[in-house]
Amino acid sequence: LAKTTQPISMDSYEGQEVNITCSHNNIATNDYITWYQQFPSQGPRFIIQGYKTKVTNEVASLFIPADRKSSTLSLPRVSLSDTAVYYCLVGPYSGAGSYQLTFGKGTKLSVIP
Amino acid sequence: NAGVTQTPKFQVLKTGQSMTLQCAQDMNHNSMYWYRQDPGMGLRLIYYSASEGTTDKGEVPNGYNVSRLNKREFSLRLESAAPSQTSVYFCASSATSGREQYFGPGTRLTVT
Repeated sequence: LAKTTQPISMDSYEGQEVNITCSHNNIATNDYITWYQQFPSQGPRFIIQGYKTKVTNEVASLFIPADRKSSTLSLPRVSLSDTAVYYCLVGPYSGAGSYQLTFGKGTKLSVIP
Repeated sequence: NAGVTQTPKFQVLKTGQSMTLQCAQDMNHNSMYWYRQDPGMGLRLIYYSASEGTTDKGEVPNGYNVSRLNKREFSLRLESAAPSQTSVYFCASSATSGREQYFGPGTRLTVT
């Protein structure tokens, strides 16, 4: 399983763009990168998933360099409601048989007014 | 659609008691998961079921058993609760293994 490393915490002011980087040096060829968001007392919520280059949806962008050993989640113009823990996960997109995803401790993002 | 539902929302057990946490999803998903989350920690996978009829151990399976009752339901049983099992338990489902997971609201369990 690919191990991931993220910063423990980050602070940002409202309206700024926030970039959270995740390192996954031993990512496998068939692994995808997925990000989840978790608010206190709630289960995680899927944000975005990608394999290479750039993926964008209405919430965030995901940048993955050619070597895929890291990825960056970009949140444009954050608001107070984006204060949450963000998890980076690496694993196969569609598995047959056994596999596990590891959430790790995530990055606690605090948005300051 | 209710998504993923879990019962109960809260539970207090005494050491040695048993209980079953229930989870159901109405999204016709093949894969289901049970996680635990301790204070200030990330989620740790207890057991998962890639498809109906199969279950596999995750990172922390000791002290737990699971049953994939049918495609919709995946239960987690604590046969003899211990204080170390005090945690918040989340159930999740996904269309197939590796696809995005949808999480339930969680069950907050305290073992005294």
